[in-house]
Amino acid sequence: DAGITQSPRHKVTETGTPVTLRCHQTENHRYMYWYRQDPGHGLRLIHYSYGVKDTDKGEVSDGYSVSRSKTEDFLLTLESATSSQTSVYFCATKLGQAQYEQYFGPGTRLTVT
Amino acid sequence: QKEVEQNSGPLSVPEGAIASLNCTYSDRGSQSFFWYRQYSGKSPELIMFIYSNGDKEDGRFTAQLNKASQYVSLLIRDSQPSDSATYLCAVNRDSGAGSYQLTFGKGTKLSVIP
Repeated sequence: DAGITQSPRHKVTETGTPVTLRCHQTENHRYMYWYRQDPGHGLRLIHYSYGVKDTDKGEVSDGYSVSRSKTEDFLLTLESATSSQTSVYFCATKLGQAQYEQYFGPGTRLTVT
Repeated sequence: QKEVEQNSGPLSVPEGAIASLNCTYSDRGSQSFFWYRQYSGKSPELIMFIYSNGDKEDGRFTAQLNKASQYVSLLIRDSQPSDSATYLCAVNRDSGAGSYQLTFGKGTKLSVIP
């Protein structure tokens, strides 16, 4: 959806290097989410944010940190990437007058070699 | 551990038939239920949401919710080859701040045969 973008869209990195993924939304919405999607596991919540500087852990938060210094940006950082973090990462937020519905960005495919 | 269960499929239906996708959930406190469609290599796309018991129709799609049985389904009428995708069921957690977190099933792969 045009209201939410992710960058980069593809990234290859080496084990042990730090990686930051960016999610940007134009809806000025409080809630933003980071998920990872892996075969056999489906979509799993990593971290979420309910406002600037307000974040909390999801189901699979180990090895990840997040930051939200502006309403429109939610950053996901892998402090020291591991091969197990090879995945597709999706950001989500709410759009318009949505109550609980979440809308997803286009995703980032991350490969850790 | 709150769970959302779906048959992984593949579910194959002929073009023009009704496709029925099912989902069960374990958290009795869940209040909101969602169906997403995901094409291969693409992001999930919200196609239906339902908050109350009963049926909700939108075009060729009908979502059905039975909270007593902890069961939600998606019917796709007049299935088209373009409906071939993986369908993800999602439910929110209980009330309060958890209402804004979703738990996803692993998805059912639907194949519509021309």
